Amino acid sequence: DQQVKQNSPSLSVQEGRISILNCDYTNSMFDYFLWYKKYPAEGPTFLISISSIKDKNEDGRFTVFLNKSAKHLSLHIVPSQPGDSAVYFCAATLYNNNDMRFGAGTRLTVKP
Amino acid sequence: DAMVIQNPRYQVTQFGKPVTLSCSQTLNHNVMYWYQQKSSQAPKLLFHYYDKDFNNEADTPDNFQSRRPNTSFCFLDIRSPGLGDAAMYLCATSRSRTGGGETQYFGPGTRLLVL
Repeated sequence: DQQVKQNSPSLSVQEGRISILNCDYTNSMFDYFLWYKKYPAEGPTFLISISSIKDKNEDGRFTVFLNKSAKHLSLHIVPSQPGDSAVYFCAATLYNNNDMRFGAGTRLTVKP
Repeated sequence: DAMVIQNPRYQVTQFGKPVTLSCSQTLNHNVMYWYQQKSSQAPKLLFHYYDKDFNNEADTPDNFQSRRPNTSFCFLDIRSPGLGDAAMYLCATSRSRTGGGETQYFGPGTRLLVL
């Protein structure tokens, strides 16, 4: 049962524009949501997270938005840079443990 | 730099021949996880150790076992690999496993090929 879904396997944007990566989830008990970034030949690295008690968290060029009623979150990257080209994974955890459920990832390509 | 190390990066084994993948960490984290990721799919949690306590996911096949001899090392043993076990295997660590949202730190993965 895929509890976390990233329906867009790929996204291509122009350098300087906004990148919006989307993620949907089905389990209303998820309490924390995280985004990881993965470059080729490397493991995923933590990017940004948001608690279910918030609807927005910002860190520099990266902002995550959470819409609990829609069970949807999104990652905004503004402005996008070629170095942002990577696979982005959405993940979620329950309030009482850290077992992460991942989406399948979205490959972002930022063109110069 | 503190890190999570996985060896080897690529492993080729024969159908049915036992294989062991290793993971080590210099972060001194209490929790170590093993994930399986098949092509274009989400990483799937197989099991984790919280200190010496082993926790198996309900749908992890019996063919997969794990050992954690000390804080720094954790091994994934596949007793009789099948063609369907070919995948990227990711090791991760975290300081704890309570509270949700605890960042996990990943190694680069071991890609397993079964011939």
